[in-house]
Amino acid sequence: GDSVTQMEGPVTLSEEAFLTINCTYTATGYPSLFWYVQYPGEGLQLLLKATKADDKGSNKGFEATYRKETTSFHLEKGSVQVSDSAVYFCALVRETSGSRLTFGEGTQLTVNP
Amino acid sequence: SAVISQKPSRDICQRGTSLTIQCQVDSQVTMMFWYRQQPGQSLTLIATANQGSEATYESGFVIDKFPISRPNLTFSTLTVSNMSPEDSSIYLCSGGEVETQYFGPGTRLLVL
Repeated sequence: GDSVTQMEGPVTLSEEAFLTINCTYTATGYPSLFWYVQYPGEGLQLLLKATKADDKGSNKGFEATYRKETTSFHLEKGSVQVSDSAVYFCALVRETSGSRLTFGEGTQLTVNP
Repeated sequence: SAVISQKPSRDICQRGTSLTIQCQVDSQVTMMFWYRQQPGQSLTLIATANQGSEATYESGFVIDKFPISRPNLTFSTLTVSNMSPEDSSIYLCSGGEVETQYFGPGTRLLVL
C-alpha cells in the first residue's frame, strides 16, 4: 500500500538557518504530493503541493520539488524564523484512492531566536 | 480555498457518554473526511463522509462507534459513541476536491 516516510525529528534550528525536512514515498501510479503544517493548538494548513514529476511547490519561502526518480519531496527553506516552529507533515494522494490522504509521521521543528 | 470550522473546539466528557462534532465548510466540496490525531502522532483516517449515503470506514473503525452524517455538500457530523479514555484525541475534519483538501481546527476531546 501507499506510505510516506519523513525524517526523524524533532529538528531544532537557530533563526536564519537553512531547513531541510526529508520525505520519501511509496505509491503506485502518479500521486500528488503535499506538505501540511500544524501550528501549536491548531489544525493542519496546506503549505504547498505538487501534482506531477519535476513540479516545484512553493509558499511562504518554503519549497519542495517532486522527484519521481528518487520518490522524494523534500521540504526546504533558506532562512527559517521563530514563527516557523510547528509540525510539518508530508502527504500523498492518488486519484484512484478516493482522495484519501496518506500522511507521514510528522516532523517537529523548533526555531530558536 | 475552503474555510472549515468545527464545533466544539474542545470538550471534557465522562466515559460511557457520546459527543457529536460538527464540521461546516464555507463552500460546497466534493470530499469530506474525518481523522483522529492522538497526542504527538500523525493523522489516522476514520472514514470518508459520503453525501446522502453511509460513510466509508477505514479498517479498525466501525459505524456503531463513529456514526457519521453528511446531509449536504457543506456539512458533516461525527459522533464518538460510548466513550472511553482511549478515545481521548483530536478529531479533525477535512474537505475539498481530489487534489486539495483543507482541514478544520480540530476538536480536542478528553474522556475521563
